[in-house]
Amino acid sequence: GENVEQHPSTLSVQEGDSAVIKCTYSDSASNYFPWYKQELGKGPQLIIDIRSNVGEKKDQRIAVTLNKTAKHFSLHITETQPEDSAVYFCAASILGRTYKYIFGTGTRLKVLA
Amino acid sequence: KAGVTQTPRYLIKTRGQQVTLSCSPISGHRSVSWYQQTPGQGLQFLFEYFSETQRNKGNFPGRFSGRQFSNSRSEMNVSTLELGDSALYLCASSLLASGARRSTQYFGPGTRLTVL
Repeated sequence: GENVEQHPSTLSVQEGDSAVIKCTYSDSASNYFPWYKQELGKGPQLIIDIRSNVGEKKDQRIAVTLNKTAKHFSLHITETQPEDSAVYFCAASILGRTYKYIFGTGTRLKVLA
Repeated sequence: KAGVTQTPRYLIKTRGQQVTLSCSPISGHRSVSWYQQTPGQGLQFLFEYFSETQRNKGNFPGRFSGRQFSNSRSEMNVSTLELGDSALYLCASSLLASGARRSTQYFGPGTRLTVL
């Protein structure tokens, strides 16, 4: 069935270092991959997304890469700051066909000052 | 634009009771999806509504139901509550229309339901 695996489940980095979170999806028809950041007591907030016709997308310190052949996509955060500490979720969806997101299990990122 | 709003933010119920949660989407958004978030299962899709019609449903028992009104506001209902229904219930809205290329979902803050 549909599944998205996310690794690692927890990640601690020193402030200023980079963080990478990886996801693998099972449905090869998936063509839309958003990333969400969830802070304590809040709902998930979209931070970046990518469609299957693009291999990489960047927005300031955040970038996402997609490897359709391997069905992998990754979130890269450079120059991490304490405010980046949160739980990050990846998701996969099929635009135009289905209206639900399949979420990964989340990564708790801790940026140590 | 105001974001997605959910009411109430916190709710405590006892086993066997029923509960109704409310979601107001972003103005102009016609699609509303509901998710259940628990520490063990993560974010799990419940159902999605568009123009008052349920278009997709996740793998949850019939005790979980929902509806959408003509103004796109949505409610979800859980009947005969069980301890395992304790969770954060998230609502997300999107501008999605049939066949549209954009389906970014924007989440509300959630309703924290505790079943005792």
